[in-house]
Amino acid sequence: SAVISQKPSRDICQRGTSLTIQCQVDSQVTMMFWYRQQPGQSLTLIATANQGSEATYESGFVIDKFPISRPNLTFSTLTVSNMSPEDSSIYLCSVVGKMNTEAFFGQGTRLTVV
Amino acid sequence: AQSVTQLGSHVSVSEGALVLLRCNYSSSVPPYLFWYVQYPNQGLQLLLKYTSAATLVKGINGFEAEFKKSETSFHLTKPSAHMSDAAEYFCAVSDLNYGQNFVFGPGTRLSVLP
Repeated sequence: SAVISQKPSRDICQRGTSLTIQCQVDSQVTMMFWYRQQPGQSLTLIATANQGSEATYESGFVIDKFPISRPNLTFSTLTVSNMSPEDSSIYLCSVVGKMNTEAFFGQGTRLTVV
Repeated sequence: AQSVTQLGSHVSVSEGALVLLRCNYSSSVPPYLFWYVQYPNQGLQLLLKYTSAATLVKGINGFEAEFKKSETSFHLTKPSAHMSDAAEYFCAVSDLNYGQNFVFGPGTRLSVLP
C-alpha cells in the first residue's frame, strides 16, 4: 500500500489569491493524480502528473488555473490560482499501486474561498 | 468511454438490515471495478475491487460485491448494517490501462438508522 500525506488539510482563502497543495507519498510512484470533489458531488479528475514531464489535464481544466509540479517520484503540488468561490472544493491527491489494481488517496484538502 | 451510474444518491437502512448499493457501469473493454468509502472529512478508502478473477469479491468490514457482466453491474452488499457504516460510497471503473482512465460514479450516501 501507499501512504499519502496532503497539506494543508483545510484552508480558507480570499478570492483572487492562490493556494498550493502538497502531496507526499511514502514510496516512488510513476503517476500521481489530482482530483476535485465539489460539495455533495463525486470526484473529477483534474490532471495526471508524471515526473519529468508536463501534467496532462482533463477537459475543463487548464494549466494556468491549476499549475502542477512533479519534481520527483514521491512529491507533487497542485496550485489553485486566482481563486473564486466556485473553487471551494475538496482536492485529493491519488497514486496507483505497484500492481496497477488499486488507487490510494490522501486525506484531501478542504478549500473554502470567501 | 467509460461511465458509472449509482442508483440512489441517498439510501437509508435500519441497523441490522441488509445494505444494497447499486452500481452499473459502461466500458468498451473488460473493466476493473472498485468500491470506495469516504467517511466525513476523510479521503477515500478502498472497500473491494474486481480485477477479472472471482466474480464475487469480498472486502473489508463485511462488504462484498458481485460482478455480473450480463447486467453490467457491480452492486455492493452487506448482510447487516452497522451504525459505523454510515458514509459516502463511490463505485469506480477503470480499463486495463489502469491509471489512464479511472471514472467515479456520483456516490451514494448511506444512512443507518438506530
